Amino acid sequence: DQQVKQNSPSLSVQEGRISILNCDYTNSMFDYFLWYKKYPAEGPTFLISISSIKDKNEDGRFTVFLNKSAKHLSLHIVPSQPGDSAVYFCAASANTGANSKLTFGKGITLSVRP
Amino acid sequence: KAGVTQTPRYLIKTRGQQVTLSCSPISGHRSVSWYQQTPGQGLQFLFEYFSETQRNKGNFPGRFSGRQFSNSRSEMNVSTLELGDSALYLCASSLAASGSYNEQFFGPGTRLTVL
Repeated sequence: DQQVKQNSPSLSVQEGRISILNCDYTNSMFDYFLWYKKYPAEGPTFLISISSIKDKNEDGRFTVFLNKSAKHLSLHIVPSQPGDSAVYFCAASANTGANSKLTFGKGITLSVRP
Repeated sequence: KAGVTQTPRYLIKTRGQQVTLSCSPISGHRSVSWYQQTPGQGLQFLFEYFSETQRNKGNFPGRFSGRQFSNSRSEMNVSTLELGDSALYLCASSLAASGSYNEQFFGPGTRLTVL
C-alpha cells in the first residue's frame, strides 16, 4: 500500500517557467513532509520541508504548499533552471517520539528545457 | 564537515551469497537509517539504528539485518541473496534529538547487483 503517491512519473518544463510537482498521501498520522532532490549516482539531497501546522513554506525559488484536508502537497519551483533537472522525491514522517522513519513516494523526473 | 560515507560504492554478488554494506554517519549524528531504492518501488525504509539499538524496522524479510557500533557507524547485511535484492542501498544519518523531527542526510549509496 503506497502511503505517499507521486502519480506523475515525469514532468518537462521550459527554462524560466514554473514547475509544479504534486504529491498525495493517505496516512493521517503524517505530520512532517519533505522534498528531496536526487541526481544520478548521488544520494538524495534535502530541499525543503513543511510541518503540518503550516500550509506554506518558502525558500528562495522553492515553495511547498500543504493542503491537509485534501492530503496533498506540492512543490513549486520558480523560475525553473536547467540545473533543476533531477528526480524529486516527496517524503513524509509521523513524528511519534524521535521516529526518523521516512516514507517516500516513487519520485518524479523533472526535465527543464533550455 | 564530512558527509555520510558508504562503502563499497559498487558490488557484484551471485545468488545465495551474503553481503555486508558499511555506513559512516556525519560526525555527531547518532541515528542511522537504511533505505532500498529500486526503479519500481522508489525508496523503501529498511531499518533505523540509534545508540546501537534498532529503533524502527520496515517490511523486509529477516534476510536483511543491521547493526550499529558505539561510534555510530552502521553495517547492514543481506544473507542468501536473491536477484530481486539488486538495488541501490542508501544510508542516512540524523541528529535524532528526541521530541522533534530531524532532517536526514543521505550518503551516495551502494549499488548492489546480484547475478
